[in-house]
Amino acid sequence: EVQLVESGGGLVQPGGSLKLSCAASGFTFSGSAMHWVRQASGKGLEWVGRIRSKANNYATAFAASVKGRFTISRDDSTNTAYLQMNSLKAEDTAVYYCASRDYYMDVWGKGTTVTVSS
Amino acid sequence: QSALTQPRSVSGSPGQSVTISCTGTSSDVGGYNYVSWYQQHPGKAPKLMIYDVTKRPSGVPDRFSGSKSGNTASLTISGLQAEDEADYYCCSYAGTYTSFVFGGGTKLTVL
Repeated sequence: EVQLVESGGGLVQPGGSLKLSCAASGFTFSGSAMHWVRQASGKGLEWVGRIRSKANNYATAFAASVKGRFTISRDDSTNTAYLQMNSLKAEDTAVYYCASRDYYMDVWGKGTTVTVSS
Repeated sequence: QSALTQPRSVSGSPGQSVTISCTGTSSDVGGYNYVSWYQQHPGKAPKLMIYDVTKRPSGVPDRFSGSKSGNTASLTISGLQAEDEADYYCCSYAGTYTSFVFGGGTKLTVL
C-alpha cells in the first residue's frame, strides 16, 4: 500500500524549533520529489517546500514565507523526508502534510499538527 | 507570490455540471503545463484529481476533467454527485524561485 506518515508535530514556543518526519512506503521513494504543504485551521493549502531526488541533486525550494527558517532533507536509505523548522512564529501554526511526486502531489499523508504558542 | 484566484464557492444540483476557474499569471498557470487540482473533504487530506492540466490519475472518475486557456485553468465536474461536495484547490508550478502556488480554494456545494 502506498503510504506517507507524518510525525513530530506538537506545541512549541515562538522562536523555537521542531523537526517533522515523513515516512514513505509502497513506492520508490528515492525516485520521487517530496513536498511539504501546510493548512492553518479553516484556511487553504499553502505550499511550504520541496526536495527533489538524487537525480536532481536533492535540490530544495521554499515558499517566501519560510525561506531562511525552514530546511528540508531526506534519507533515501530509510525512505524518510524531514522538515526542520526554526525561528517558529505563531503564523506557522497549521497541519503539515507531506506529499510525493515532482510537479504535482499524488500521495498525501494524513498530516501532523504544529502549534506555535507561548 | 500571490495565491491563484478561485471563486470562493460554486454549487450545482445532482447530475449537473460545474466549472471551477483558477486564474494566475504568465509566470505560473500561463507559463507551464503543470496545473493540478485537489479535492479535500472536511478533516481529510487532499486528494489529487487532475495533474499536468488535463491528466486524470487512475481511480479518479472521468466526470472530472481539466483544461487551460491562457492564464486561467479550469476544473469541470460533470454528472454531479453528492460525494463531490468538498473543497477544491488548484496548484501551479511557478518556476525555479517561486516553485509552487495554490489557489485559495473553492467550496463546492451539491444542492
